[in-house]
Amino acid sequence: QSALTQPASVSGSPGQSITISCTGTSSDVGRYNYVSWYQLHPGKAPKLIIYEVSNRPSGVSNRFSGSKSGNTASLTISGLQAEDEADYFCSSYTGSTSLVLVVFGGGTKLTVL
Amino acid sequence: EVQLVESGGALVNPGGSLRLSCAASGFTFSNAWMTWVRQAPGKGLEWVGRIKSKSGGGTTDYAAPVKGRFTISRDDSEDTVYLQMNSLKTEDTAVYYCTIGFCIGTSCHWDDAFDVWGQGTMVTVS
Repeated sequence: QSALTQPASVSGSPGQSITISCTGTSSDVGRYNYVSWYQLHPGKAPKLIIYEVSNRPSGVSNRFSGSKSGNTASLTISGLQAEDEADYFCSSYTGSTSLVLVVFGGGTKLTVL
Repeated sequence: EVQLVESGGALVNPGGSLRLSCAASGFTFSNAWMTWVRQAPGKGLEWVGRIKSKSGGGTTDYAAPVKGRFTISRDDSEDTVYLQMNSLKTEDTAVYYCTIGFCIGTSCHWDDAFDVWGQGTMVTVS
């Protein structure tokens, strides 16, 4: 499996909404509803913000939402805040133990203008 | 508090070996499936491999680039998971994280969503 495809960067102003796409294939994103999203601030551990396409772990702001259509998953952040500036990675379960069990996206750098 | 602490990262020559450790606390380690993920400098996250709990079979799975060179093991008496890395290559240079999924009731996300991460340990192969 190749890495999932994400835009390298997105930007938005405080209060706006942005959407980050994550494109895979029919073997991963398109096949399983096991897409997750992670937020990475420099020097910190990744933080899970979405699992199973659209579920938020306890404590994660409802400004973060996820969806999926076909082979593409999306993360939407509404009401952008300065602290949302970070790198965001998607991942998908592949069910394949021969290559890689979980495939990640290349990451998207979110800049809050 | 659930916590994972990695250690063992270092500078190593190509072809060399290194063993990383990940000490866990705050949860029932023996029930957890433990996963290693790495991030090369300036690159994205990459799944490395996973070891199931003994009750889950205790088996391991690895990403193709590391299969045959890396071995994951666990010591439930010490609440620690290990990543033995042999025949290291320059492309193995990365921050290595250990991480775990979670369960909600009887539904467990061991392989698809990683809820707790360590702070990472840097491995440089040069």
